Amino acid sequence: RKEVEQDPGPFNVPEGATVAFNCTYSNSASQSFFWYRQDCRKEPKLLMSVYSSGNEDGRFTAQLNRASQYISLLIRDSKLSDSATYLCVVNMKEGYQKVTFGIGTKLQVIP
Amino acid sequence: DGGITQSPKYLFRKEGQNVTLSCEQNLNHDAMYWYRQDPGQGLRLIYYSQIVNDFQKGDIAEGYSVSREKKESFPLTVTSAQKNPTAFYLCASSRPGGAGYEQYFGPGTRLTVT
Repeated sequence: RKEVEQDPGPFNVPEGATVAFNCTYSNSASQSFFWYRQDCRKEPKLLMSVYSSGNEDGRFTAQLNRASQYISLLIRDSKLSDSATYLCVVNMKEGYQKVTFGIGTKLQVIP
Repeated sequence: DGGITQSPKYLFRKEGQNVTLSCEQNLNHDAMYWYRQDPGQGLRLIYYSQIVNDFQKGDIAEGYSVSREKKESFPLTVTSAQKNPTAFYLCASSRPGGAGYEQYFGPGTRLTVT
């Protein structure tokens, strides 16, 4: 089983739609969680951290479910500019800050 | 502006040549990382460094070497021993300590070896 699993997609959604991605992780000792956005042929950029209490930033909501070992990202009112690959990232302290990236979920928002 | 710079953006080399990719940061971060990204795959860790003059192998270190003589700089050398060097190389940095800190990435170097 992969340490961090994501559905690679692509998810094709119309503008204005709500879309949700999940990401599962295998190590229950994982400590911190993030969503990154990566545009085509660019570097990943931090979208948001994920907290147990959930957090929201505008149209984006991230949730963490430690019991079931998954994190989620919800995007409301999708914009064309949201088209990108969304990477799930899991951190763990293992002598150093061990960072594991998911393969990413590709989102294409269609006019 | 604080950030991470990588140069060059595109690099072409002939097979059998060593090549060094530059990574510089002015974020005052202690920890620095090198990743490789191939199409359809996630980021894979090549080397990391938590402090100056110290670095450790990641998951795919074979055929690569690094140095960390200054806090700001973490160059990566792709040697001729690396079997499939063509890839997108990303450098990142983060604050040290614990596992709670996000990583910041440079713009990447796209290496093509023919």
